[in-house]
Amino acid sequence: DTEVTQTPKHLVMGMTNKKSLKCEQHMGHRAMYWYKQKAKKPPELMFVYSYEKLSINESVPSRFSPECPNSSLLNLHLHALQPEDSALYLCASSQGPQGGDTQYFGPGTRLTVL
Amino acid sequence: EDQVTQSPEALRLQEGESSSLNCSYTVSGLRGLFWYRQDPGKGPEFLFTLYSAGEEKEKERLKATLTKKESFLHITAPKPEDSATYLCAVQAVETNAGKSTFGDGTTLTVKP
Repeated sequence: DTEVTQTPKHLVMGMTNKKSLKCEQHMGHRAMYWYKQKAKKPPELMFVYSYEKLSINESVPSRFSPECPNSSLLNLHLHALQPEDSALYLCASSQGPQGGDTQYFGPGTRLTVL
Repeated sequence: EDQVTQSPEALRLQEGESSSLNCSYTVSGLRGLFWYRQDPGKGPEFLFTLYSAGEEKEKERLKATLTKKESFLHITAPKPEDSATYLCAVQAVETNAGKSTFGDGTTLTVKP
């Protein structure tokens, strides 16, 4: 089974709201990722967690705050977002953080910021 | 800097008309090359991972091949359900582990 689940599927929020995106995998993977994808563009890496520790932060604004409570769960906390943050947010996981490991993606959360 | 270029940007085929998608890459050393299929509004679905030149992998109507400079995704006798955007990504030896460089994708439309 190579399933990564994400909730919610859709989220609409105002610029003053606080919300969270959730991601879960039960494949025993030790690396988890957050990506942002705009329409007709490839996924853009935001964060990488390796063994529950943040290993890569691609200079993402502080209004995005990742959290990895355990090896199966990954959250993305959102606060004071801007309309330009509207996008498809994708979670992925891989067996390890080693280069060359296949990343498996979840279905995504469609975020709209009003 | 690692680069991935996919061509063509868009491809329209008739059902049953075989063709190939190209992914050209420039990396200091290749750890892995990945092909994904993505339907509109959904997450990328993993298709293949290739690690070394000469490697080939097949799945149903799809076959991926790899050389030192490019990869091809061959589609044999496509069906309308093969319509999607196909993404290619590479991971390089000298970049942070887990960081992939993606191409812009090829959008395939298969007409019945």
